[in-house]
Amino acid sequence: DVKVTQSSRYLVKRTGEKVFLECVQDMDHENMFWYRQDPGLGLRLIYFSYDVKMKEKGDIPEGYSVSREKKERFSLILESASTNQTSMYLCASSLISVHEQFFGPGTRLTVL
Amino acid sequence: RKEVEQDPGPFNVPEGATVAFNCTYSNSASQSFFWYRQDCRKEPKLLMSVYSSGNEDGRFTAQLNRASQYISLLIRDSKLSDSATYLCVSSTGSARQLTFGSGTQLTVLP
Repeated sequence: DVKVTQSSRYLVKRTGEKVFLECVQDMDHENMFWYRQDPGLGLRLIYFSYDVKMKEKGDIPEGYSVSREKKERFSLILESASTNQTSMYLCASSLISVHEQFFGPGTRLTVL
Repeated sequence: RKEVEQDPGPFNVPEGATVAFNCTYSNSASQSFFWYRQDCRKEPKLLMSVYSSGNEDGRFTAQLNRASQYISLLIRDSKLSDSATYLCVSSTGSARQLTFGSGTQLTVLP
């Protein structure tokens, strides 16, 4: 069974703080993704990575950065959290040539 | 305009009913299509792929109309456990990026 884990289910941070969201997958998947999900807007892709140390911008990368130092781990960084980054953050992974993405349970981030 | 559009619902149907969801996509370069299911406060999971010839998986039937850029999902004999949000998803052919609709909420009532 594919397992994608995220470091926290709930997180509360203050405006201006640096925030790290961690994602780990145990199935040796090449691709990893970070999305945010907001009511009425659906899932929107922030960044993705298809290999270690590789990253590509998704649809809404502004205000975010990512790091992939190891194949199984993909981190999302909010350099200076703002209230409009309050959202559900979902990590996903997939094999290089397969469309099916496996999602983690999500991190609900609240920025005060 | 969103690249993948769905009626958000909610659809409230009695057990045993047949319900259909529709979805339109605007990117004519989209090549692959899927339905994902997301239970309340859970992560999305792949329900089924959608092929041009249509495909069926038990009580679920998915169809694609490329000329109209339209995708559908039909659920027959609805069960209480079918209550979820159904996400319509397109891909431009690269396995790396999927575009999600905002979802259609279904509640099956006893």
